[in-house]
Amino acid sequence: GENVEQHPSTLSVQEGDSAVIKCTYSDSASNYFPWYKQELGKGPQLIIDIRSNVGEKKDQRIAVTLNKTAKHFSLHITETQPEDSAVYFCAASINFNKFYFGSGTKLNVKP
Amino acid sequence: NAGVTQTPKFQVLKTGQSMTLQCAQDMNHNSMYWYRQDPGMGLRLIYYSASEGTTDKGEVPNGYNVSRLNKREFSLRLESAAPSQTSVYFCASSEGVSSAQHFGDGTRLSIL
Repeated sequence: GENVEQHPSTLSVQEGDSAVIKCTYSDSASNYFPWYKQELGKGPQLIIDIRSNVGEKKDQRIAVTLNKTAKHFSLHITETQPEDSAVYFCAASINFNKFYFGSGTKLNVKP
Repeated sequence: NAGVTQTPKFQVLKTGQSMTLQCAQDMNHNSMYWYRQDPGMGLRLIYYSASEGTTDKGEVPNGYNVSRLNKREFSLRLESAAPSQTSVYFCASSEGVSSAQHFGDGTRLSIL
């Protein structure tokens, strides 16, 4: 099956700085890559996603890039705010049938 | 909007007891999923149901059974609970092909 690795496991940044979280996947057939934000005591919430026919997607302060050749994708958060503090998960899927998740990154934005 | 509702939110069981975790969605989604989340391991798929009347195994199905009762409801059953099944369980749903998953807030299950 698919194997998704996520780095770093923890990330601490100053408010206003940028944060980057990276994931790699093993199965070249994976074609859908969502990112989730999970706050304490809550379920994961989709924040952005990208499909394999697109190299980059942006939504306000959040962007995702995909390199299919290298089989890695990254989440970029600019102008970080304290409310961005949470655990972030990447995932990979083949045709939406099954989703394989990374182990998560705990982001701490210091005021 | 309720979205995906899971019950109960917390449960403590003794080894060998049985239990059913309930999940219901009000978004008219076709597909539903059960995951478990363990510290440092992300989410792992237990079972999923691509559409009403079908269920399939995920990564870690051993020790679990599921029932897709109707389009809205998807339950997860532990027949004989073991301490290794202590985890947070999440239910999710999606429209199906080409759509993202929506998660409930989880059931925190401890097995002593």
